[in-house]
Amino acid sequence: QLQLQESGPGLVKPSETLSLTCTVSGSSIRANNYYWGWIRQPPGEGLEWIGNIFYTGSTYYSPSLERRVTISADMSKNQFSLKLNSVTAADTAVYYCAGRGATRGGSFDPWGQGTLVTVSS
Amino acid sequence: DIQLTQSPSFLSASVGERVTITCRASQGIRSYLAWYQQKPGKAPKLLIYDASTLQSGVPSRFSGSESGTEFTLTISSLQPEDFATYYCQQLITYPLIFGGGTKVEIK
Repeated sequence: QLQLQESGPGLVKPSETLSLTCTVSGSSIRANNYYWGWIRQPPGEGLEWIGNIFYTGSTYYSPSLERRVTISADMSKNQFSLKLNSVTAADTAVYYCAGRGATRGGSFDPWGQGTLVTVSS
Repeated sequence: DIQLTQSPSFLSASVGERVTITCRASQGIRSYLAWYQQKPGKAPKLLIYDASTLQSGVPSRFSGSESGTEFTLTISSLQPEDFATYYCQQLITYPLIFGGGTKVEIK
């Protein structure tokens, strides 16, 4: 059964870099039927797609974030990561990692439980 | 970018009621639309993909339909566990935009 789990600091200072890791179990991230993605949700607000990575290393980012975001994968650890630099309070959110299957219309399933990242000095 | 307009943003309904949520795309997305349910403090859960295909394990009271660029999520008989926020998402092209959400609360 495919499962994802986010990890990383819960507090980041303004102007610094937010770094999160998603550990995948139950499938290899090399699987060619999955993209691996990040989605975030500011407190009390809706969902925002951040970006995806495919096992080939191809990445796709939200235009509103692409100048600051990098998604990468570590095949040896079966993990993929998110880096968001120059953060501000507006980047405070729950960050989710999720698998985006080539089946099921490319929808996101499953999701990690999410991790709250607060940007504050 | 494709925009999704979800309505209503909030609705109040009673147990047993039929509930309909609409998601309108700014351009054609064929059937590349998914619906998710999110409960407070939890990750979203996939309900429907390809506009009308029920994800495995999702109760049959949930259904999805499409007409052109208008997509509908229907709950035929609202149950206590269905009170949550629902989001649509288009999956035909990047960026993978979500709708603004519909919060379903108890009347």
